[in-house]
Amino acid sequence: GENVEQHPSTLSVQEGDSAVIKCTYSDSASNYFPWYKQELGKGPQLIIDIRSNVGEKKDQRIAVTLNKTAKHFSLHITETQPEDSAVYFCAASESGANNLFFGTGTRLTVIP
Amino acid sequence: ETGVTQSPTHLIKTRGQQVTLRCSSQSGHNTVSWYQQALGQGPQFIFQYYREEENGRGNFPPRFSGLQFPNYSSELNVNALELDDSALYLCASSNARGGHGELFFGEGSRLTVL
Repeated sequence: GENVEQHPSTLSVQEGDSAVIKCTYSDSASNYFPWYKQELGKGPQLIIDIRSNVGEKKDQRIAVTLNKTAKHFSLHITETQPEDSAVYFCAASESGANNLFFGTGTRLTVIP
Repeated sequence: ETGVTQSPTHLIKTRGQQVTLRCSSQSGHNTVSWYQQALGQGPQFIFQYYREEENGRGNFPPRFSGLQFPNYSSELNVNALELDDSALYLCASSNARGGHGELFFGEGSRLTVL
């Protein structure tokens, strides 16, 4: 089955700096890669996703890149703000599959 | 639009007991997935229900079972509880049968097994 690895496990940045979280996956059949943000006491919330037919996708301060050859994808957050502090999860899924395989999460702390 | 709601939010059980967790899906969604999130880990897929039928299962034993009702709400039942079942149980609804639709998660039910 699919194995998703995520790094780093914790990340602290100064407000205004950029943050990058990286994930690798093992199953070459995976072609859908969402990113979820989980705030304390809440369920994960989708913030951005990318499909294997594109290499990059951007939504305001958030961008995701995908390298299918190397089987890795990354989340980039620019101009970080204190409200970006949360745990971020990457995930992977295969076309037609009904489940997501999640990474182990990155706790991002943005220091004001 | 009503989001995904789960109950109870917290509960404590002892080893060997049984537990039922409940989930009301978001309005308009016909698919419910359940995930187990151990402390410090990512969510792990338990199973999915689509129109009242199980539509895929992760690597969980048969003592994890579920139901989906005609109004698309769902239950997760766990029998013969073990200490390792202690976790946050997340319900997610979507209107896509496959894994490529956005999952809307509830806030979870935190189960502690003593």
